[in-house]
Amino acid sequence: EIVMTQSPATLSVSPGERATLSCRASQSVSSNLAWYQQKPGQAPRLLIYGASTRATGIPARFSGSGSGTEFTLTISSLQSEDFAVYYCQQYNNWPPTFGGGTKVEIK
Amino acid sequence: QVQLVESGGGVVQPGGSLRLSCAASGFTFSSYGMHWVRQAPGKGLEWVAFIRYDGSNKYYADSVKGRFTISRDNSKNTLYLQMNSLRAEDTAVYYCAKASSRDGYGDYWGQGTLVTVSS
Repeated sequence: EIVMTQSPATLSVSPGERATLSCRASQSVSSNLAWYQQKPGQAPRLLIYGASTRATGIPARFSGSGSGTEFTLTISSLQSEDFAVYYCQQYNNWPPTFGGGTKVEIK
Repeated sequence: QVQLVESGGGVVQPGGSLRLSCAASGFTFSSYGMHWVRQAPGKGLEWVAFIRYDGSNKYYADSVKGRFTISRDNSKNTLYLQMNSLRAEDTAVYYCAKASSRDGYGDYWGQGTLVTVSS
């Protein structure tokens, strides 16, 4: 199965700053990559699919890029509601696999 | 709007069985594949199983293959996960998720139901 590796595990950012999260696949997944946001006690929420397409209702400050094995989620100006855990997931090959997550915390 | 409501979680002894349900509304259930994804306490997300829109194909994680069975009743807009031979490591919150038009990712998720396997 494809192993997804996210870095860093924890990212400390001040409100208003930019956050850059990385996700690496153990083999090419083309652009079949999704990003999710999860807040404590809540279900994951889809942010990005197809590596760069925002899901319905997702603010423009969230953007995704990359293809093949290297992907990035950028939050251009962090708002208070953006502090959460973010997961990437590949769906190019079965089984779909998730990264271990990046926790974005308040600096 | 899309709603997914899981039920059936609880405490079960090792070796026991449990059946989870996911009631769907707000979309044409019979047109979309569905996933089960779990999350152990304090851990990340783990995909568990997937069923195509018509039930024709099912996929399982190796960790549950042979023990768990995914199924659906399109007349009742309900997804199921039959879990047998449960182990302590199956303890997790179980989420159902509606698959997108591309089957592999979930675009809407339920709030989850907690399964605890303990003696």
